[in-house]
Amino acid sequence: NAGVMQNPRHLVRRRGQEARLRCSPMKGHSHVYWYRQLPEEGLKFMVYLQKENIIDESGMPKERFSAEFPKEGPSILRIQQVVRGDSAAYFCASSPPTGNEQFFGPGTRLTVL
Amino acid sequence: EDQVTQSPEALRLQEGESSSLNCSYTVSGLRGLFWYRQDPGKGPEFLFTLYSAGEEKEKERLKATLTKKESFLHITAPKPEDSATYLCAVQGTGGFKTIFGAGTRLFVKA
Repeated sequence: NAGVMQNPRHLVRRRGQEARLRCSPMKGHSHVYWYRQLPEEGLKFMVYLQKENIIDESGMPKERFSAEFPKEGPSILRIQQVVRGDSAAYFCASSPPTGNEQFFGPGTRLTVL
Repeated sequence: EDQVTQSPEALRLQEGESSSLNCSYTVSGLRGLFWYRQDPGKGPEFLFTLYSAGEEKEKERLKATLTKKESFLHITAPKPEDSATYLCAVQGTGGFKTIFGAGTRLFVKA
């Protein structure tokens, strides 16, 4: 019974490149959250998605960041034209159709050179 | 604005020395309050969800309680393997944004 999967686990990009982070939810889960965790800081909510639908993106930066959760395949968090300040751990969590519990993946650690 | 404050920032205990972690919250209508454990370099591990004041939940050496303004995570007779950062989070009824506290780093010495 696989948990939430994220890949890659580590990603290095140069300033100006694009970063694509993937998240496969637990089996049976249809909702995905994305969070960012800066060093020595707490988790910050970014976006909440259902299949083919963005429900709440109130924590998403207005520019360069986008997220999707297509009908087939993983959820994708895309960061365009990365800057050094984007370096952080990005976590996704999935939750079942009923219930509020969120189950987290191992995270993707993005380093921008 | 929804807010979560955890205290203390860090807590050092001897093995077997029981204590409590505090989570104070402000939310306009509580959908749920969550406790997680996070080990270094890993994703948070779900522990409990509490929905209404007066509710309590237990798991092994951990017990979570909830009032209208705060939640406590009680740790009874902790062991070194309980050392981790404990995170509290709330979700309000106004949406699905989940607000996390900064966490309490717990160190349990043998």
